[in-house]
Amino acid sequence: AQSVTQPDIHITVSEGASLELRCNYSYGATPYLFWYVQSPGQGLQLLLKYFSGDTLVQGIKGFEAEFKRSQSSFNLRKPSVHWSDAAEYFCAVGGGSQGNLIFGKGTKLSVKP
Amino acid sequence: DAGVIQSPRHEVTEMGQEVTLRCKPISGHNSLFWYRQTMMRGLELLIYFNNNVPIDDSGMPEDRFSAKMPNASFSTLKIQPSEPRDSAVYFCASSPNRASNQPQHFGDGTRLSIL
Repeated sequence: AQSVTQPDIHITVSEGASLELRCNYSYGATPYLFWYVQSPGQGLQLLLKYFSGDTLVQGIKGFEAEFKRSQSSFNLRKPSVHWSDAAEYFCAVGGGSQGNLIFGKGTKLSVKP
Repeated sequence: DAGVIQSPRHEVTEMGQEVTLRCKPISGHNSLFWYRQTMMRGLELLIYFNNNVPIDDSGMPEDRFSAKMPNASFSTLKIQPSEPRDSAVYFCASSPNRASNQPQHFGDGTRLSIL
């Protein structure tokens, strides 16, 4: 069965520092992978997605993610975090025949001045 | 472009009352999803539709919950009777089709409080 693990529940980084949020998935075939961001009081917004091809994908707001098949990982990165990046981030995997996505539990990001 | 529209944004009601949440998907999207988000359980898929037909309702917690999609532009999630443990944020999402490489577009959610 498909599953997604986000090992870090809460991460705090300083503004301007680099960021890496971890995501591990379990899926038998090549997965479709997504990262979403949720700001307080709002729905989830798609940051980026990976289907095939180049394993480093670029998204909105300066985020990128790298697919590593050998590690079953799809970690999200940003070189320099801004205070407005404080939010909750969700990794998701698709690929089932029914078309649904499986979401991780989320990682809450706090940014300190 | 209009995104997924949910109403109401907030609902506070007493236990035992019927609650109806509404969703208008993005025009042209054929798949619609209902999720529930709580601190304890995170984001849970309740049910999803494709071409107005329910595909999988295994996430619906119990018979008090029901969902309908009478046409391509409208869906409802109903709880009757409501209980305090139903308090959560309920999200609706839509995608162009049921292909698993399609991203889902989320509404801003309905924050439900059952007293």
